[in-house]
Amino acid sequence: EAGVAQSPRYKIIEKRQSVAFWCNPISGHATLYWYQQILGQGPKLLIQFQNNGVVDDSQLPKDRFSAERLKGVDSTLKIQPAKLEDSAVYLCASSFQGRYGYTFGSGTRLTVV
Amino acid sequence: GENVEQHPSTLSVQEGDSAVIKCTYSDSASNYFPWYKQELGKRPQLIIDIRSNVGEKKDQRIAVTLNKTAKHFSLHITETQPEDSAVYFCAASKPAGTALIFGKGTTLSVSS
Repeated sequence: EAGVAQSPRYKIIEKRQSVAFWCNPISGHATLYWYQQILGQGPKLLIQFQNNGVVDDSQLPKDRFSAERLKGVDSTLKIQPAKLEDSAVYLCASSFQGRYGYTFGSGTRLTVV
Repeated sequence: GENVEQHPSTLSVQEGDSAVIKCTYSDSASNYFPWYKQELGKRPQLIIDIRSNVGEKKDQRIAVTLNKTAKHFSLHITETQPEDSAVYFCAASKPAGTALIFGKGTTLSVSS
């Protein structure tokens, strides 16, 4: 079974620039999550999708972060404009609808300078 | 919303010793409690999980216990090995399909 695919693997940008991350979940997984993991901390949920609808985006900083999953499969997370405190690993995870436990992708490590 | 507290933040043991990591959760509606292991630069990997209808679950050298009344759960690793060195995260969620809320992690170091 192919895993959760994420790209790019690493990204370095200057503050105030924009950046986008891509995630392709495991085939058949209707639920997709984006997490932010700051160095030394646990993953923090940013947004949860069920197919192409948003289930929970209560912790997404909507003034600068946006995410979409237009066709209910792959997803894009965007930051515009980036701040220094956005430096983190952005993890995507997916699961079957209504099932416990999910699989994480390898993440995108973002460094904002 | 749910809040998960995890301790200790760091734990150092000698090879062969046992290690215990403890977590507490705030939302009594939470009913699923997984543990993830994350090695440096890698993705979190599920190592064991427990649901609220079970008090204990074991898989070889690792076990998880759950006390619903006290709202805490623990990870137990016996006969630790150097390859157990990693960051361990506990998490909690409500019914299937809801997002996991993670603790801040415990860095386990096993020295030989």
